[in-house]
Amino acid sequence: DAMVIQNPRYQVTQFGKPVTLSCSQTLNHNVMYWYQQKSSQAPKLLFHYYDKDFNNEADTPDNFQSRRPNTSFCFLDIRSPGLGDAAMYLCATSRAGGLGETQYFGPGTRLLVL
Amino acid sequence: AQSVAQPEDQVNVAEGNPLTVKCTYSVSGNPYLFWYVQYPNRGLQFLLKYITGDNLVKGSYGFEAEFNKSQTSFHLKKPSALVSDSALYFCAVRNYGGSQGNLIFGKGTKLSVKP
Repeated sequence: DAMVIQNPRYQVTQFGKPVTLSCSQTLNHNVMYWYQQKSSQAPKLLFHYYDKDFNNEADTPDNFQSRRPNTSFCFLDIRSPGLGDAAMYLCATSRAGGLGETQYFGPGTRLLVL
Repeated sequence: AQSVAQPEDQVNVAEGNPLTVKCTYSVSGNPYLFWYVQYPNRGLQFLLKYITGDNLVKGSYGFEAEFNKSQTSFHLKKPSALVSDSALYFCAVRNYGGSQGNLIFGKGTKLSVKP
């Protein structure tokens, strides 16, 4: 089945130690998104790629970076994680960027910062 | 600014009874509205969406939603609730004014279905 895959499902890192979360998709979708979801809150978009074009949300901290080396893979890099970055990180894809396009989410990676 | 409101933090329903999870929106122009469900420690699963056309939208797992333009609402409904429907439900609207990709989510409604 075509799907969005996130690894690992759980990630523990130390305060200030760089960490990378990965997302892959077999849907061959053009757009990939990264959302941050803190406990008991709604998901919040960090950035997205339309093909190779990177689109950063205005309020996304500089500490968060992303890479998309090819259509299938997208990475979220947190350069110096703080305690406030502990959250569920959700990757999503959509076929195109139109307003009516459905976004399909992966299972998420829960990040714990010690 | 575009926004979505889910006025109820939690909805409790007995199994077999109909359920409604409420959502109201505020957008400029025509809305693109979505419902997602999230089970514990899982990602969001798409249920249904309204783009245009028939105001009653049918989706996955027997859920449906009714778009009401005059009341700016998009309530999620199911005729007969199952215990397995217990989860967190998010309503979302696509953002016209900001980033093209941005889904604006409501804060979520926890649905609890008791046997």
